[in-house]
Amino acid sequence: AQSVTQLDSQVPVFEEAPVELRCNYSSSVSVYLFWYVQYPNQGLQLLLKYLSGSTLVKGINGFEAEFNKSQTSFHLRKPSVHISDTAEYFCAVSERAGGTSYGKLTFGQGTILTVHP
Amino acid sequence: NAGVTQTPKFQVLKTGQSMTLQCAQDMNHEYMSWYRQDPGMGLRLIHYSVGAGITDQGEVPNGYNVSRSTTEDFPLRLLSAAPSQTSVYFCASRASGGTQYFGPGTRLTVL
Repeated sequence: AQSVTQLDSQVPVFEEAPVELRCNYSSSVSVYLFWYVQYPNQGLQLLLKYLSGSTLVKGINGFEAEFNKSQTSFHLRKPSVHISDTAEYFCAVSERAGGTSYGKLTFGQGTILTVHP
Repeated sequence: NAGVTQTPKFQVLKTGQSMTLQCAQDMNHEYMSWYRQDPGMGLRLIHYSVGAGITDQGEVPNGYNVSRSTTEDFPLRLLSAAPSQTSVYFCASRASGGTQYFGPGTRLTVL
């Protein structure tokens, strides 16, 4: 079984400040890792994903995340946020191909990022 | 491509009523799934399908049925709605690279 913990339920920041949204996961097998963003009253949009290769992953809208296998973490960062980044962010994990749970996404509880002017 | 579409966008039911949430995708993805989203709990998997004719239960399947007669469609049925099923429901389909694409959601209220 796998689980995901997002360490902060709400993160308030001022515009142009840096931000880090923290995500830790637990799994007995190798996993794929994802960050999704949900703007108010909308569906989920993929920000970035880690499948293999470089542990630093760059996504849309200037976000990046770093996979740390030893710490089982996948924290999301942005060096300078905008008002338009206000949204809820979800970290998710799925087993790699070949596992019995391949394809099933397990989500964290979500982090609400609020960017103030 | 329309991607993943869901209907209706909003629905209000009375306890005990039944309804079907529709989901369709035009990306020829084999894997499709249904999630429910509740405040502070993230998204939880209800049912999933790895291809036409094949479905299985997720984390919270009770009170929901699914079928998959075609690759494109994956409807979710509530046979006897309960207030605990008040939630936002998302359908998703998965590409071969592992990315899941989500529909816009259906906001369901059960009175």
